[in-house]
Amino acid sequence: DVKVTQSSRYLVKRTGEKVFLECVQDMDHENMFWYRQDPGLGLRLIYFSYDVKMKEKGDIPEGYSVSREKKERFSLILESASTNQTSMYLCASSPDRGGGYTFGSGTRLTVV
Amino acid sequence: ELKVEQNPLFLSMQEGKNYTIYCNYSTTSDRLYWYRQDPGKSLESLFVLLSNGAVKQEGRLMASLDTKARLSTLHITAAVHDLSATYFCAVLNYGGSQGNLIFGKGTKLSVKP
Repeated sequence: DVKVTQSSRYLVKRTGEKVFLECVQDMDHENMFWYRQDPGLGLRLIYFSYDVKMKEKGDIPEGYSVSREKKERFSLILESASTNQTSMYLCASSPDRGGGYTFGSGTRLTVV
Repeated sequence: ELKVEQNPLFLSMQEGKNYTIYCNYSTTSDRLYWYRQDPGKSLESLFVLLSNGAVKQEGRLMASLDTKARLSTLHITAAVHDLSATYFCAVLNYGGSQGNLIFGKGTKLSVKP
């Protein structure tokens, strides 16, 4: 069964901490994505990557960065966590640029 | 810039009734996805619609796509409680950030006995 695994289901961090959210896929997919989901706002694209060491900004990249050192792993980094980054974070991967995402189970991050 | 609008955002239905969720989008695309999300869970793919006039059905759900009107519908027939969930449409973006999906805000469906 194909899988996208997010390392933490729930995370609580303090304001100002550096936070790493990890995502690993086992499908040899080229493309990986990070979204955040907030009530009433749907899913908003933070960053995505079409290849190893490549990254592109999505619609709301401010306050975030990403790393893709290996094809299967895409990390989202909150350089200095703030309370307005409290959210559900969803990672997805796809084999090509035609959509067809497989989503991870999500990480609910609370910044206090 | 591609924008995707769903309506309604909240839908309370009685079991056995029919209803339709609408998904409008602002710029040309010919690929649209519908997802389902249960509370506390991730998104599960329901349908992919690949061309104008495409229709897909599974169980009590039927999705269609009109690319000329930039409109997709998700029709629910004889709703049952198990269909209670949030439904998202997502449109493939052929613009500056090619190959990513732009999501609507979701329709929270509640089916009551």
